[in-house]
Amino acid sequence: AQTVTQSQPEMSVQEAETVTLSCTYDTSESDYYLFWYKQPPSRQMILVIRQEAYKQQNATENRFSVNFQKAAKSFSLKISDSQLGDAAMYFCAPDSGGSNYKLTFGKGTLLTVNP
Amino acid sequence: NAGVMQNPRHLVRRRGQEARLRCSPMKGHSHVYWYRQLPEEGLKFMVYLQKENIIDESGMPKERFSAEFPKEGPSILRIQQVVRGDSAAYFCASSPGRYSGANVLTFGAGSRLTVL
Repeated sequence: AQTVTQSQPEMSVQEAETVTLSCTYDTSESDYYLFWYKQPPSRQMILVIRQEAYKQQNATENRFSVNFQKAAKSFSLKISDSQLGDAAMYFCAPDSGGSNYKLTFGKGTLLTVNP
Repeated sequence: NAGVMQNPRHLVRRRGQEARLRCSPMKGHSHVYWYRQLPEEGLKFMVYLQKENIIDESGMPKERFSAEFPKEGPSILRIQQVVRGDSAAYFCASSPGRYSGANVLTFGAGSRLTVL
């Protein structure tokens, strides 16, 4: 079974600053995808960014980017120019690869953005 | 596009009663996933269904829990004889499948079950 470790239960950042959330995982698959989801107080799960494991280029989505290290099985999320609306619980989630596609979620990192 | 619709949003049951949670996937999506979130935890996979088929139920408790996704109508997660430990948020997600590229899941807003 996959395991996902988010070693930072809580993080805080000043508005307009940059913060990096870490994630490591374990998988025996070679072809898979990785996702970061955010869960604001509304509890809705919102996709932030995704990465294809076979691509060396790190994914970016506006102020969000990842640092994907496949050999180290590391998948960190960088948020630049943090905004108050970025405050949420962030979950790292690799999928199972193959034909099943189920996601395994970490325990999450609670991000606080200070004005 | 209405997104993934879950109902009820909140459900209160007494121990021993049954809980039924419904999920209507996004239009055009034929893959449905159910996840459970306990307080202070991430989401845990329960079951993956396609129309009329259970593909993977490795995360479902062996007893009292069942899921279906009929040819017509929403997917149903059914919990019989609920216990306090079943209190959680239950999320449904749907996807069009992984024909090319990522199998991106779109989540519903969740159903919060409270067992008294």
